Amino acid sequence: DTAVSQTPKYLVTQMGNDKSIKCEQNLGHDTMYWYKQDSKKFLKIMFSYNNKELIINETVPNRFSPKSPDKAHLNLHINSLELGDSAVYFCASSQGTRLNTEAFFGQGTRLTVV
Amino acid sequence: AQKITQTQPGMFVQEKEAVTLDCTYDTSDQSYGLFWYKQPSSGEMIFLIYQGSYDEQNATEGRYSLNFQKARKSANLVISASQLGDSAMYFCAMRCSSNTGKLIFGQGTTLQVKP
Repeated sequence: DTAVSQTPKYLVTQMGNDKSIKCEQNLGHDTMYWYKQDSKKFLKIMFSYNNKELIINETVPNRFSPKSPDKAHLNLHINSLELGDSAVYFCASSQGTRLNTEAFFGQGTRLTVV
Repeated sequence: AQKITQTQPGMFVQEKEAVTLDCTYDTSDQSYGLFWYKQPSSGEMIFLIYQGSYDEQNATEGRYSLNFQKARKSANLVISASQLGDSAMYFCAMRCSSNTGKLIFGQGTTLQVKP
């Protein structure tokens, strides 16, 4: 069983479209995250939810909107896609936000905007 | 500012030898945790090892060990007896008590193991 699963794994879309990436974790964790990995492989936090409550909202364009229907799911919706949105998006989860809590990552979604 | 710096963009190591991947960090928090993750070419992120700021001993996990030097703010990853499967990108990351659980990542180091 995959602990953190994201769909789709690959997403190619045209500029201006709206798309969603789904994430589900079966680890029973209460905290979920979205990270973005750019073309230089740099990873940066975008959002975090704890028990369905938004706790981290980094400087991200408001075209990006996360939604957490329950503790096991965190989806990412992107409106009006731009070329610069092309990246790999990782979902992750952890049991709480304690310092020693490792984050488990999904396999990533490679988004290509053309 | 909280920051992780990995100064080695790429490293080579001969199979069966040990290699050290450098990581320095910057934070004014007294409590923090340091992590290393591996990202193979397939793209997934794999947790390797954790070191807490108050841990007195260096962390070890199998062939991975962390050389933690708090005064120098460094947390270098040591991989012993390198294997071909260790070829990957390695990320150092930090979680601070003040930042609500987010991981701050370094730029990564690409390691290639030569047969």
